[in-house]
Amino acid sequence: GAVVSQHPSWVICKSGTSVKIECRSLDFQATTMFWYRQFPKQSLMLMATSNEGSKATYEQGVEKDKFLINHASLTLSTLTVTSAHPEDSSFYICSARDRFNEKLFFGSGTQLSVL
Amino acid sequence: GESVGLHLPTLSVQEGDNSIINCAYSNSASDYFIWYKQESGKGPQFIIDIRSNMDKRQGQRVTVLLNKTVKHLSLQIAATQPGDSAVYFCAENLGGSYIPTFGRGTSLIVHP
Repeated sequence: GAVVSQHPSWVICKSGTSVKIECRSLDFQATTMFWYRQFPKQSLMLMATSNEGSKATYEQGVEKDKFLINHASLTLSTLTVTSAHPEDSSFYICSARDRFNEKLFFGSGTQLSVL
Repeated sequence: GESVGLHLPTLSVQEGDNSIINCAYSNSASDYFIWYKQESGKGPQFIIDIRSNMDKRQGQRVTVLLNKTVKHLSLQIAATQPGDSAVYFCAENLGGSYIPTFGRGTSLIVHP
């Protein structure tokens, strides 16, 4: 089946630093990728929709300058958490939509801990 | 039995029993529904989907039932196994957008 690779799987960083998370579709092309945030024992909350070659669409309440999204190719989207603070600590998950069959596949998630 | 915790409802079953996980969706206009399984520390995994023109769909050991009248979705797992222990989310899609909105989730605990 289709595979979405998300890297890193976990990261610990100091407050004020920036962290980049990569999301790659390994065997299919994805014109659209999605970024979610998940707190412990809660559901996934959509942060933004990333479209290849254009600006991301952010959900209400998500700071675009805080969470920078780049989708430069049909197989790669990145999320950069800028000037991270402890409240940004969370589980971040990406998903990619296959451009031909519209099916959605999820990455394995990134646990971010900001000290 | 089923209990509602602070954030996540929990369903505890014995190995070999059938499990039924319920979900109430929010938008009566949603026309595509998906069940996902999420194991601890991992991303969601597709289980089964159903379109609004159907009321039942079966997969391997799983069945999804859709009741549009009361906006209710259920996932039935036959002969539940310890490996089925996970959090299960339903998700709804509206009008071909294919941007699923996730429901609250239910934690399934299977006791050997």
